Amino acid sequence: DAGVTQSPTHLIKTRGQHVTLRCSPISGHKSVSWYQQVLGQGPQFIFQYYEKEERGRGNFPDRFSARQFPNYSSELNVNALLLGDSALYLCASSLGGTGSSPLHFGNGTRLTVT
Amino acid sequence: DQQVKQNSPSLSVQEGRISILNCDYTNSMFDYFLWYKKYPAEGPTFLISISSIKDKNEDGRFTVFLNKSAKHLSLHIVPSQPGDYAVYFCAASRYNFNKFYFGSGTKLNVKP
Repeated sequence: DAGVTQSPTHLIKTRGQHVTLRCSPISGHKSVSWYQQVLGQGPQFIFQYYEKEERGRGNFPDRFSARQFPNYSSELNVNALLLGDSALYLCASSLGGTGSSPLHFGNGTRLTVT
Repeated sequence: DQQVKQNSPSLSVQEGRISILNCDYTNSMFDYFLWYKKYPAEGPTFLISISSIKDKNEDGRFTVFLNKSAKHLSLHIVPSQPGDYAVYFCAASRYNFNKFYFGSGTKLNVKP
């Protein structure tokens, strides 16, 4: 069974550019979440989508946006990149949309902003 | 606001012995707790969970204990194996919200 897939695996961008990260959830999972992990810290919540609706947003600036498509895949967009946006971006899917539904993570996209 | 804390960045144990990883939280509204294991270059993998109505949950070599009054949970791995070498994250959530708060992780080293 295919797990959560993310693309690309690595990305190098310049300050001020825009980036789009993509995620395909586990088949049958309707919830997709995005997390940012910087070195030495745990994943930090950015967004959650369930049935194509935004269910939650973390403490990130408006430069971060996301959406979920009819096939439940998702995109995370970041505009006007800053050096501090360099991190591992993790996508996770879950069967349900509540807190008792464990997250299943992809391997992440490593974003480097220079 | 660090609502979930793992105060030990690393832990080293002998193969075959018990590994105990600790986690503290501050938000009394959390009612679901999980442990994840992360290898380099991979995403976190779900290990085991516990809801706030229980104080213990076992799955093979892994047992999670929850002490609600102390706002503390721990993961016991018995016996520890070389393949357990990874970073372990605890996470917490509220039932109605699929938003998880993660600790900063504990790197477990299992010595032969």
